[in-house]
Amino acid sequence: EIVLTQSPGTLSLSPGERATLSCRASQSITSYYLTWYQQKPGQAPRLLIFGASSRATGIPDRFSGSGSGTDFTLTISRLEPEDFGVYYCQQYERSSWLFGQGTKVEIK
Amino acid sequence: EVQLVQSGVEVKKPGESLKISCKGSGYNFDKYWIVWVRQQPGKGLEYMGVIYPGDSDTRNSPPFLGQVSISADRSLNTVYLQWSSLKVSDTALYYCARRSLDYQDGLDVWGQGTMVTVSS
Repeated sequence: EIVLTQSPGTLSLSPGERATLSCRASQSITSYYLTWYQQKPGQAPRLLIFGASSRATGIPDRFSGSGSGTDFTLTISRLEPEDFGVYYCQQYERSSWLFGQGTKVEIK
Repeated sequence: EVQLVQSGVEVKKPGESLKISCKGSGYNFDKYWIVWVRQQPGKGLEYMGVIYPGDSDTRNSPPFLGQVSISADRSLNTVYLQWSSLKVSDTALYYCARRSLDYQDGLDVWGQGTMVTVSS
């Protein structure tokens, strides 16, 4: 069974800084089915990035995704106050949606 | 507007049964798989199972097999998550979400969540 491990657990940054979030799979996965979500406190998750690197409609271009094989990255180029929250990577395979444990991006 | 609207907060005792709902609107409900996701207090997201409302084809994630049942009523554009005997450990926020046809099987529309508290 594939395990998605996200790091760091918490990222403390200031608005305007760059955030780099990692998602590592326990074995090689297809980037086609790698998705990133943002969850703010008290809200449902929101789909940000699909296919490892494509932004969903309405997602600002400061969000970008990259990676292949076992290593994937979500980058927020310049943090805005509304970007603070928890980010999850997720892999789809055979009618199963597997989530990483999340990275919390908090205000420093 | 495409949306999923879930039923409200539930407070139950261990051993009780429960059925929560997720109603879709603004799109062809029959044509999209609906996923259930659990979020225990302070924890991450866990996939529970999925249903295709068009024919009620259902798949459960192994940890939840035999623990919950998922069903759909096409006439009401609604899917359900049901427990026959709740445990304290079922205390969680439960989300339904739509499997996207555009975003490579990502979950593009989410309900607002249903908080279930199980306590004696």
